[in-house]
Amino acid sequence: GDSVTQMEGPVTLSEEAFLTINCTYTATGYPSLFWYVQYPGEGLQLLLKATKADDKGSNKGFEATYRKETTSFHLEKGSVQVSDSAVYFCASDSARQLTFGSGTQLTVLP
Amino acid sequence: NAGVTQTPKFRILKIGQSMTLQCAQDMNHNYMYWYRQDPGMGLKLIYYSVGAGITDKGEVPNGYNVSRSTTEYFPLRLELAAPSQTSVYFCASSYSAGAGQPQHFGDGTRLSIL
Repeated sequence: GDSVTQMEGPVTLSEEAFLTINCTYTATGYPSLFWYVQYPGEGLQLLLKATKADDKGSNKGFEATYRKETTSFHLEKGSVQVSDSAVYFCASDSARQLTFGSGTQLTVLP
Repeated sequence: NAGVTQTPKFRILKIGQSMTLQCAQDMNHNYMYWYRQDPGMGLKLIYYSVGAGITDKGEVPNGYNVSRSTTEYFPLRLELAAPSQTSVYFCASSYSAGAGQPQHFGDGTRLSIL
């Protein structure tokens, strides 16, 4: 079946550091790919998405590129802030349902 | 804009009790979903609905029931609570499924079964 594998956390960075969270997927067909963010005590919020190969999703300084050849959708940000501390989930929507990775806890220290 | 509203936010149940988790959305979305989130795990789909009167099982439906009598509401029922159902439950909705349609999530219900 379909699956999404994320880089295990937790990840702790200093403010202004570079962030990469790895995500790979297996799916039948050509899924759309998503990154969701979950702040403490809240539900998941869409951070960015890409719907086809080589698309780049971006939002709030975060970026991810849909790489079909490596079945990857790695999340990057050039300079993280304390306010970026959250749990990040990668997801794919093949078979018309979302399949989530296990989440990566990010803590950014001032 | 309210979006997806879940009640209650927290609840403690005794083993064998029953309860209904409420979910309402005001975006006129056709699709609604229930997930559970266990520590260190991603979200697992319990049930989903593609429209009023239509529901279907997800990955982990055992021990739960749902109904969808209107577009707006999608309650989740636990009939005989068990410790294994201790989790955080999220309701979500979307206009359609697939093709990059995002899901919109409520803030969750934290449920403990003791």
